[in-house]
Parts: sequence; structure tokens; C-alpha cells
Amino acid sequence: GENVEQHPSTLSVQEGDSAVIKCTYSDSASNYFPWYKQELGKRPQLIIDIRSNVGEKKDQRIAVTLNKTAKHFSLHITETQPEDSAVYFCAASRGASGGGADGLTFGKGTHLIIQP
Amino acid sequence: DSGVTQTPKHLITATGQRVTLRCSPRSGDLSVYWYQQSLDQGLQFLIQYYNGEERAKGNILERFSAQQFPDLHSELNLSSLELGDSALYFCASSVGQRNQPQHFGDGTRLSIL
Repeated sequence: GENVEQHPSTLSVQEGDSAVIKCTYSDSASNYFPWYKQELGKRPQLIIDIRSNVGEKKDQRIAVTLNKTAKHFSLHITETQPEDSAVYFCAASRGASGGGADGLTFGKGTHLIIQP
Repeated sequence: DSGVTQTPKHLITATGQRVTLRCSPRSGDLSVYWYQQSLDQGLQFLIQYYNGEERAKGNILERFSAQQFPDLHSELNLSSLELGDSALYFCASSVGQRNQPQHFGDGTRLSIL
């Protein structure tokens, strides 16, 4: 089955700096890659997603890049703010061929700490 | 508020017992997914239903089962509970059955004593 590796496990950056979180996946058939933000005691919130026919996607201060050949994708957060502090999860899904379906395989998470 | 409703918020029970977790998807969503989150296993996909039919299975134990009803709400049944089943159980929903944004509910925290 799919395996998603996420690095780093903890990332501390100064407020206003950029943060980058990287993920690799094992199943070349995976074609959907969402990112979730989870604050302590809360539900995972979808912040951005990308499909395999696109190399990059941006939404204000957040961007995701995908390299299908290398099987890795990254989350970039610019101009970080204190409210960006949370655990971020990457995920992958292959949406099985033949009309089938597939759940998300998640990375282990990155604890992002924004230092004031 | 994601629009996905899960009940109860907390559940405390003993080993060997059986519990039922309930999920109502967002209005218009036909897919329901169940996930388990624990410190050692992380977030793990359990099972997916689409419009009443089982669509995909993940790391779901044989002691666990689920169903989706005609009104699209779903229930996750956990039986013969063990200490290791203590976790947060999330339900998520999406419009379609694959590669669609999944929106999570607030979860049910299950504690086994």
C-alpha cells in the first residue's frame, strides 16, 4: 500500500520567515495530495490540495509544489504568523483506477512553531 | 464549523464493551470516511462509504464495522474493545467518491478504562 514520509517532525521559524514542509510518497498511482492543519484538540482542516496534473498551486501565503517524477510534494508558507502554529499533515490518495475509491494515507505530521 | 457532525464528543467505557459512533456528513456530500488518530499510529484511514455502499477499506480491524444509512449518516461500531482502541475517531465527508476534498468533523474521543 501507499506510504507517506513527512519531514521535519518539528519546525521552528521566526515570525515573518518562510516555512517548508516536505513529503514523499511511494505509490506512483497516487494522484491527489491534500494538506491539513490541526490545532491542539481540534479537527484536521484542509488548507490546500493539489492533483497530479498540476505542478504548483497557490492560495495567498500558502503554496504546494508537486514533483511526480521524484514522488515528492512540499508545503510552503510565507510571511508566517503566530496563528500558523499547529501540526501540519500531508496526505496522498490514488483514487483507484476503474472507478474505485481510496482513503487518504497521511504523513506523521510536522509541528510548526512560530517564534515571536 | 465544517458541517460534519459527530456524536458523542467523548465516550468512556471498559474493555470488552461495544460502542457506536455516529456521523452526519455535510449537506450534499455522498461520501463518508472514518479515520482513527492515536499518538503511536497517527491518522489512519479505516473505511469509506459512498451513497450507502462500502467503497474502500483501510486498516480497519475485524472487531470494527460501519454502515451508511439511506439518509447518508454513518455509524462506526467498535466491539470487544481493548485498551489500544483508545483514540480520536474522525469522520470526514466529500461530495464524490474519490480525490475530492474531505472535510472533517470534530471527532469522538474514545477512552477505554
